[in-house]
Amino acid sequence: VLTQSPLSLPVTLGQPASISCRASQSPVFSDGYTYLNWFHQRPGQSPRRLIYKVSNRDSGVPDRFSGSGSGTDFTLRISRVEAEDVGVYYCMQGSQWPLTFGEGTRVEIK
Amino acid sequence: EMQLLESGGRLVQPGGSLRLSCAASGFTLTTYAMTWVRQAPRKGLEWVSTISVNGRGIFYADSVKGRFTISRDRSSNTLYLEMNSLRVEDTAIYYCVRPDYGDYVGLLGYWGQGTLVTVSS
Repeated sequence: VLTQSPLSLPVTLGQPASISCRASQSPVFSDGYTYLNWFHQRPGQSPRRLIYKVSNRDSGVPDRFSGSGSGTDFTLRISRVEAEDVGVYYCMQGSQWPLTFGEGTRVEIK
Repeated sequence: EMQLLESGGRLVQPGGSLRLSCAASGFTLTTYAMTWVRQAPRKGLEWVSTISVNGRGIFYADSVKGRFTISRDRSSNTLYLEMNSLRVEDTAIYYCVRPDYGDYVGLLGYWGQGTLVTVSS
């Protein structure tokens, strides 16, 4: 089980934002890697992965996005929120069956 | 350029059946583990099913086990989801998802646009 907080996050443009994802057990796979990923979904669109294996940014993802964490606690940070960052953010673990997603955190501009 | 194109979603009555398709282009479907993920209206993402590269590893969420069947066709490069005994709670957008490489389902990097299944009387 992945538990995200907060579930709703009003942010001011240009300010930082942080989303937490806590796992009920460590999502470390047998190969030693932690398959903890972050996705962003805008209304009416498919999810887009931002971060894979805890801290690796996907191609084309702005460097204002960063992921960190270990064990059972993980964090997605946005250094300076821009208008295009609104939407819902999900963490996801791909190390154990069943694959699971967090409940989602809705980011909106104040 | 790789593409995943889902189809087959429609309105169906409770207890009915439906088959979803995901046509893959730009890559060979059978060289990747393929996954279905769904999203109920105004809800979060839920993993549904995965088929491994060799086709022998097949996994289902408890919520669909015994009712849904994942399969693929090599000749048409298409992934399928056969859905039987449909329930109202199966109403969702169904996404076809590919990992970055091979059997690494932990790296769901490529998503289709989704197809909407509505179960209602």
